[in-house]
This record gives sequence, structure tokens and C-alpha cells, in this order.
Amino acid sequence: DQQVKQNSPSLSVQEGRISILNCDYTNSMFDYFLWYKKYPAEGPTFLISISSIKDKNEDGRFTVFLNKSAKHLSLHIVPSQPGDSAVYFCAASETPKILSRAGGTSYGKLTFGQGTILTVHP
Amino acid sequence: ETGVTQTPRHLVMGMTNKKSLKCEQHLGHNAMYWYKQSAKKPLELMFVYSLEERVENNSVPSRFSPECPNSSHLFLHLHTLQPEDSALYLCASSHNDRGSYNEQFFGPGTRLTVL
Repeated sequence: DQQVKQNSPSLSVQEGRISILNCDYTNSMFDYFLWYKKYPAEGPTFLISISSIKDKNEDGRFTVFLNKSAKHLSLHIVPSQPGDSAVYFCAASETPKILSRAGGTSYGKLTFGQGTILTVHP
Repeated sequence: ETGVTQTPRHLVMGMTNKKSLKCEQHLGHNAMYWYKQSAKKPLELMFVYSLEERVENNSVPSRFSPECPNSSHLFLHLHTLQPEDSALYLCASSHNDRGSYNEQFFGPGTRLTVL
């Protein structure tokens, strides 16, 4: 039972155009969402996040939109550049739990989608 | 050395071998994670350590044995693995303040092949 789904395995976009990557989730307890980017032979790197109290968060060329009623989020990249070609993962977190052990730190499990391969053509 | 490092980057082992994967984080974080990524599947969380204490074990077979001697180091000891355990094993770390969401920082991974 996959709680976070990226239904498009791949996306191809021309340089300078907009890339839109989509992600759907089923667990209504998720309240924080992240996007990661992964190049071959490297680990995922954090890109941008959004809390469920917002519906939009912007950072330079990257904007994440959240539609809570539809349980859908999307990542917009504009303008797209060839260096953006990578695998993009969305991830979702529930509210972190306070750990009574482990010094009272918090922990919120991340659930990942299966990724979308973005190719930006020059 | 900065960020999260993992060694070895590639490992080929037989089903009867014993090997260990190593992860080190230089970010001052207090939590560390092991994930497994198989082809065309989402990242699967295996283990979580917070302040060197294991706080999650995601129904992982006992042939995988984690060890966290301090907040900067994490090991995954492997023994009698199966070919289906071949995958990319990713280590991550985060700073888990009380009540905060945890943006995790990943290492480059170890590509494991079990023959």
C-alpha cells in the first residue's frame, strides 16, 4: 500500500520551459512535504519543502504547490535547465513524535514516492 | 570531509560472506537513518537512530544488523544475505529538535550486489 505516489515515471521538457512534477498521497495525517533531487551515483539532496498550513512555497526557480483537499502536491521548475535533469522524489511526513527516550528529541518518519525522471533537453 | 559519507561505494559479496557498510556524518546531527532503494521502488526506511538509540526498526530481517556507536557514525552489518538484497543502501542524517520536522541529508549510497 503506497501512501505517496508519483504516477509519472518520467518527464521530458525543453530548456526554458516549465517542468511540473506531480505527487499524490493518501494519508491525511501527513502535514509536511518535501522534494528531493537525485543525480546518478549520488544520494538524494533536499530541494524544497512545504507545511500543510501553506499552499505555496517558492525558492528561486522552484515552487511547490499543495492542495490538501485533493491530497496533491506539485513541483514547478521554471525556467527548466539541462542541469535540472535528475530523479525527483516527493516525501511526506506526519507530525513528529516526541521521543520520551532519546533525550526528548522528535522523529517524523518520511514516506517517499517512487520518483520521476526529469530530462531537460537543450 | 563534509556532509554524509558512505563506504564502500560499491560492494559485491557472496551469500555466505559477512561485510559492513559504514556511514559518517559531519553535520553535527543527532539522528541517523538507513534506507534501501531497489530498482523502480520508493526508498524504504530500515532503521532510525536518535541520540544513538534505535527508535525504529521497520520489520527488517535479522541478517541486517545496525550499530550506532556515536551520533556521527552508523554501521550496517550484513551476513548471509540473499540475492534479492541487492540494492542501493543509503544513509541519512538529520537534526531532530523537539517538535521539529526533520529534513534529512543523504550520503551517496553503497551499491550492493549479492551473488
